[in-house]
Amino acid sequence: EVQLVESGGGLVQPGGSLRLSCAASGFTFSSYAMHWVRQAPGKGLEYVSAISSNGGSTYYANSVKGRFTISRDNSKNTLYLQMGSLRAEDMAVYYCARSIVGATMAFDYWGQGTLVTVSS
Amino acid sequence: AIRITQSPSSLSASTGDRVTITCRASQGISSYLAWYQQKPGKAPKLLIYAASTLQSGVPSRFSGSGSGTDFTLTISCLQSEDFATYYCQQYYSYPPTFGGGTKVEIK
Repeated sequence: EVQLVESGGGLVQPGGSLRLSCAASGFTFSSYAMHWVRQAPGKGLEYVSAISSNGGSTYYANSVKGRFTISRDNSKNTLYLQMGSLRAEDMAVYYCARSIVGATMAFDYWGQGTLVTVSS
Repeated sequence: AIRITQSPSSLSASTGDRVTITCRASQGISSYLAWYQQKPGKAPKLLIYAASTLQSGVPSRFSGSGSGTDFTLTISCLQSEDFATYYCQQYYSYPPTFGGGTKVEIK
């Protein structure tokens, strides 16, 4: 069974940093591109970042470029999102998601999400 | 970025109704469109990709159609478990973008 389990969310002050993790199981993690998608409270879905299966290529939404860093450790089956210079508008539930085979930017499995709260 | 306009933003329907949700892309996206269902407090669930391909395990009352700029999600006979918010998403080009969502509520 495919499972994605996020962790690392919490309360952080504006300007602070946080690292999210997504532990994957039930599939060959190193074969899939992975993504982060967020959802502000009561709002819709917003794409954040992507990383290729081997970690060699990454993509960031303009809203987080230069502040967030996506990475992965295929030996640990874990995806990361290092978030810095956090702003109020970054407050959201952050989901990790797996690419559909043959459709890199569509997502067939999602984690349960981890809430990031940015507040002083 | 490609803009996705989803309508309606909400609708009220009864169990057994046929429900249609539409998405329009700001430019042609071929068939690179997915549909997701999200229930409160839960992660989105993939229903359809490539505009009309049903994800494994998704009931056949869900169907998708369209190509280019105009797309439709149809629920042929609404069940109680289908009351949720639905999102479309284009994956033709980066960044992937989502429609604003359609909340399907009980009439």
